[in-house]
Amino acid sequence: QQQVKQSPQSLIVQKGGISIINCAYENTAFDYFPWYQQFPGKGPALLIAIRPDVSEKKEGRFTISFNKSAKQFSLHIMDSQPGDSATYFCAASKLRYGNKLVFGAGTILRVKS
Amino acid sequence: EAQVTQNPRYLITVTGKKLTVTCSQNMNHEYMSWYRQDPGLGLRQIYYSMNVEVTDKGDVPEGYKVSRKEKRNFPLILESPSPNQTSLYFCASSLGRGNSPLHFGNGTRLTVT
Repeated sequence: QQQVKQSPQSLIVQKGGISIINCAYENTAFDYFPWYQQFPGKGPALLIAIRPDVSEKKEGRFTISFNKSAKQFSLHIMDSQPGDSATYFCAASKLRYGNKLVFGAGTILRVKS
Repeated sequence: EAQVTQNPRYLITVTGKKLTVTCSQNMNHEYMSWYRQDPGLGLRQIYYSMNVEVTDKGDVPEGYKVSRKEKRNFPLILESPSPNQTSLYFCASSLGRGNSPLHFGNGTRLTVT
């Protein structure tokens, strides 16, 4: 049973376009939602994270949108670049349990130049 | 340079032959964890450790052992590997607070024949 469902499995976007990756969760006790970015041959690295008390968080070209009532959150990459080509994982956790993250299945993003 | 170092990067072994994957971090992190990454399943936690001599099972602990005798090291032991343990393994560490970013190693690709 996957606690965090991520879609799509793969995504191809033209350079300059918007990449959108969606995640849905079941457990309403989750209160921390990070996104990790993984390049080939490397381990994942934290990209951006959000708490459920805000509906949106933006860092440069990366934005998380959060919908608490729908139990969904998404990553938007504006002006997508070939260097953004990577695997993206959403995750969720309960802050008081420390770093026990539950990850989504991952999305392979390819940005075509 | 702050990093998590895993060795080896690649390992091919046969069913039943005990093996150890080493993990070391130089950031004085209290929290360390092992994940396996499989296509379509994302990252699943095997074991984690909140501090020296404190370890606990993650979501998929069967067939694995860990130990945390020193703060910096967290080896993963497969006593009797089986083909279903063929996977990409990642070690990660963090300060241990709920919103602390996880720092991942570059992975160990294990093949069990």
